[in-house]
Amino acid sequence: GQQLNQSPQSMFIQEGEDVSMNCTSSSIFNTWLWYKQDPGEGPVLLIALYKAGELTSNGRLTAQFGITRKDSFLNISASIPSDVGIYFCAGQPDNAGNMLTFGGGTRLMVKP
Amino acid sequence: DGGITQSPKYLFRKEGQNVTLSCEQNLNHDAMYWYRQDPGQGLRLIYYSQIVNDFQKGDIAEGYSVSREKKESFPLTVTSAQKNPTAFYLCASSISIEAFFGQGTRLTVV
Repeated sequence: GQQLNQSPQSMFIQEGEDVSMNCTSSSIFNTWLWYKQDPGEGPVLLIALYKAGELTSNGRLTAQFGITRKDSFLNISASIPSDVGIYFCAGQPDNAGNMLTFGGGTRLMVKP
Repeated sequence: DGGITQSPKYLFRKEGQNVTLSCEQNLNHDAMYWYRQDPGQGLRLIYYSQIVNDFQKGDIAEGYSVSREKKESFPLTVTSAQKNPTAFYLCASSISIEAFFGQGTRLTVV
């Protein structure tokens, strides 16, 4: 199937620092979604992006739909310990109906 | 409250046994999905169903089976043909493109 390259694979940061992660694809996507997964739980939807160039915020989280429709990034400002978890990007390829393709995840660890 | 419920949370299976994972949703979503997650990995699609009485294989369907007799329910059976079944299994549902996930079932073969 389609591949999404998500980077970095893991990050270990100090509390209060800003965080940036991204997803790239070789093909066009119509929608980008960002999820967070706490240990042992299911992913929870954080932000959904539907238009190229769209910039959307949810509290300290900001995500953008790349203008080429082949990438997206997620920023977390002023990280706190509860930001710990795995962040997944997911995209809807141009020819895949409602099917999502998931990135490999970014594991975020925050040092108090 | 509306949501997706997976049960059980933890499941242990002996080698050679079939086991069924439950997924129920009361969100009135048409589409339901099963994903497998291995440590340090992303989500891989096992099966999906866009409507009652219809389902399609995903990327890693071998050794698994599903049914969709009711809109609310999409059980996954892990058969003895699945050679490496130990994993975290996630069920999701959607009405459009945004998928909502259950809490997961951790299956361990002993």
